Amino acid sequence: DAKTTQPNSMESNEEEPVHLPCNHSTISGTDYIHWYRQLPSQGPEYVIHGLTSNVNNRMASLAIAEDRKSSTLILHRATLRDAAVYYCILSGTTDSWGKLQFGAGTQVVVTP
Amino acid sequence: EAQVTQNPRYLITVTGKKLTVTCSQNMNHEYMSWYRQDPGLGLRQIYYSMNVEVTDKGDVPEGYKVSRKEKRNFPLILESPSPNQTSLYFCASSLIPAGANVLTFGAGSRLTVL
Repeated sequence: DAKTTQPNSMESNEEEPVHLPCNHSTISGTDYIHWYRQLPSQGPEYVIHGLTSNVNNRMASLAIAEDRKSSTLILHRATLRDAAVYYCILSGTTDSWGKLQFGAGTQVVVTP
Repeated sequence: EAQVTQNPRYLITVTGKKLTVTCSQNMNHEYMSWYRQDPGLGLRQIYYSMNVEVTDKGDVPEGYKVSRKEKRNFPLILESPSPNQTSLYFCASSLIPAGANVLTFGAGSRLTVL
């Protein structure tokens, strides 16, 4: 089973922010939190990752709870091109880190 | 251009006819992995490899084989395909060390087994 829990779907209006939650209550101290997204008919692509501190890049922001048991991906101004499935995964530094589990992700629908 | 290349992109085959889906990366990545994607189930890991000659099972390895004889290539082998292996397959690669590794995915291979 996936180590993360995400809502099945979320809707947003264009130009509005989107907050995508992810629960990872069994996260270990060495697990990184990664977000990927998959546009229709494409392979997944990297969005952002972090360990403890909040992170920002040109695509999104990642807010990590103080206890690290949850995180939120923030798309600041949704566009139609952001309509995709977003996956939250954990990637650790233990011997089993290569076994990455994606789960079903969150389908983001953006309405004009 | 840094990329992961999968071939074929589309394949229709029949039950029991051995096939290989190739995956090649040009980024000198140590880590490579195969996933299958089915409606409603997300991405499920089949096999992964930490380096040449080092492979390990993911969550759904049954019916598949892999090999890692060269760093750049990681073929997925279906010795005797069955209809339940009809799926969309993705190969991915990344650098090691772990944790902060960023996966680069291929464009996918859609396989239909009749």
